[in-house]
Amino acid sequence: EAAVTQSPRSKVAVTGGKVTLSCHQTNNHDYMYWYRQDTGHGLRLIHYSYVADSTEKGDIPDGYKASRPSQENFSLILELASLSQTAVYFCASSDWGGYNYAEQFFGPGTRLTVL
Amino acid sequence: GDSVTQTEGQVTVSESKSLIINCTYSATSIGYPNLFWYVRYPGEGLQLLLKVITAGQKGSSRGFEATYNKEATSFHLQKASVQESDSAVYYCALSASNTNKVVFGTGTRLQVLP
Repeated sequence: EAAVTQSPRSKVAVTGGKVTLSCHQTNNHDYMYWYRQDTGHGLRLIHYSYVADSTEKGDIPDGYKASRPSQENFSLILELASLSQTAVYFCASSDWGGYNYAEQFFGPGTRLTVL
Repeated sequence: GDSVTQTEGQVTVSESKSLIINCTYSATSIGYPNLFWYVRYPGEGLQLLLKVITAGQKGSSRGFEATYNKEATSFHLQKASVQESDSAVYYCALSASNTNKVVFGTGTRLQVLP
């Protein structure tokens, strides 16, 4: 059974509308991440969290908020969706690896189209 | 900043032929990055294919290999004989030790023809 799930799997939103993307993990991981991927770009980190009720900005946080109400759940919120936010969004979870890299486990992605 | 370059957006190979997917990196803020290949099969999330954390070492998994070449700053992915089931998107990535932050390449879509 998939350990990181995302909902919805695809969504069409209108410009200026509010969008919430949800992520749920059953890995018992402390760290969770939101990435976006656009054509011609690698995955870019939007927000991440290492503990419930706390979130951190990633490399491209502008226009996004994040919420981590529990260890298992991590949401990405677009308060005012814009055309430029059309992309595929990936959620991931991991342990803290310390000196050794901790593998990230990804959800299947959400394709968001803003019209 | 740190970056990963994959020059091929798509590669098409016939089944049983050999494969190489190119990856080079720039790690200006990291002395010796950890290097990875992730793979995304259709309808699924990315999953770690292999990792190498020591320069000069080779990683391997499912018939794929990649060697950490510090001098050439490269980490090319190779397979001697591809199968149709290898069709997927492959991402090269790097991270620094003692951090969970990962920098991904743009991905290379591999199509294996029967």
